[in-house]
Amino acid sequence: DAGVIQSPRHEVTEMGQEVTLRCKPISGHNSLFWYRQTMMRGLELLIYFNNNVPIDDSGMPEDRFSAKMPNASFSTLKIQPSEPRDSAVYFCASRTRASGTDTQYFGPGTRLTVL
Amino acid sequence: KQEVTQIPAALSVPEGENLVLNCSFTDSAIYNLQWFRQDPGKGLTSLLLIQSSQREQTSGRLNASLDKSSGRSTLYIAASQPGDSATYLCAVEGNTDKLIFGTGTRLQVFP
Repeated sequence: DAGVIQSPRHEVTEMGQEVTLRCKPISGHNSLFWYRQTMMRGLELLIYFNNNVPIDDSGMPEDRFSAKMPNASFSTLKIQPSEPRDSAVYFCASRTRASGTDTQYFGPGTRLTVL
Repeated sequence: KQEVTQIPAALSVPEGENLVLNCSFTDSAIYNLQWFRQDPGKGLTSLLLIQSSQREQTSGRLNASLDKSSGRSTLYIAASQPGDSATYLCAVEGNTDKLIFGTGTRLQVFP
């Protein structure tokens, strides 16, 4: 398996623009997580899905952020409108407990810069 | 609210040394504890996962221990190598699926 795939790897945009980050989880994994990493706050969970259903979005910073998982192989994280303080690395992770392990597998991340 | 702390924040050692990274957490009601490695500009790679009922896990030169009652975990790296240079993160999972991460220990092993 290719692992968790994220796109784009780098995104530079101007304040006020809409940004969409994409994630393809590992095939067969039924849980998907979105994290944000900054120097100031470290790694924080934004939202996670089980079986395509959002379970906990308490980490989503504000209404400008939204996430969807229309099917088991694709998820998006959207920021509209973007602000400079959204600049961070956004990670997607997936897992399944069916294999007997609780390990989350992380993608390479999307580095977002909002000017 | 669960809080995870890692000490030291940074560590620089010569090749060949045995070293210990520390992780502490405030709420002992955890489901598991995981240690990850992160290389610069890369994602996280899982190293070891310890279930709450376990005391330790080993993988090659790595050994992780867990003392749930005292809220502590250690990652022991034997015979360190320059290739071990990376940031090491510990994370705890409670009764939900949520991972709470520490701020990490940045390790540099020099030849």
